[in-house]
Amino acid sequence: ETGVTQSPTHLIKTRGQQVTLRCSSQSGHNTVSWYQQALGQGPQFIFQYYREEENGRGNFPPRFSGLQFPNYSSELNVNALELDDSALYLCASSSEGFWLANQETQYFGPGTRLLVL
Amino acid sequence: KQEVTQIPAALSVPEGENLVLNCSFTDSAIYNLQWFRQDPGKGLTSLLLIQSSQREQTSGRLNASLDKSSGRSTLYIAASQPGDSATYLCAVAPALDGGFKTIFGAGTRLFVKA
Repeated sequence: ETGVTQSPTHLIKTRGQQVTLRCSSQSGHNTVSWYQQALGQGPQFIFQYYREEENGRGNFPPRFSGLQFPNYSSELNVNALELDDSALYLCASSSEGFWLANQETQYFGPGTRLLVL
Repeated sequence: KQEVTQIPAALSVPEGENLVLNCSFTDSAIYNLQWFRQDPGKGLTSLLLIQSSQREQTSGRLNASLDKSSGRSTLYIAASQPGDSATYLCAVAPALDGGFKTIFGAGTRLFVKA
């Protein structure tokens, strides 16, 4: 177990709706990254938060947004859901050393599987 | 633009066989390369992380090598077991963009037959 939890485990939404996914990082980890993994593909980097600020973003539109809280929890929000948003959403937490020194790994949660109908 | 490719996409081997999974990347400017394991419907578990200055890392029956100049990495699994059945993902941390926009390959799905 990595100590990273995500909720809910599964979710079904309809096109146009909004969704909030939650992640609880390991204690002491002030960096969280979110990834989208479509079926049969590797995870795609969405964005990263460091000390409650967005620290970098992948090639995802603004309707993907996030929040990070001081208690090591974070959220991924997706507005105006599209069918192609159906995927496994993974969060990964890491300590400051991850991106300052690239010495450490990220610890992944089990993911939230989102289905958009 | 960094791209990561993994070959083969799927592999089925009998128990006890030694095997090699391949990963290639297009830009040698990386901070590190990492191999992950993913069980069906689950998150990722880090297996080995190789810094850009290193050539290989070993953990138990696993050995990963890195050749930055050729843009290649291999994951060697010795004496494979049915419990090794999973998808293996290769990921690089590009030196551009601060190194944290980890880029993953699509994975190699491994099945070890008892």
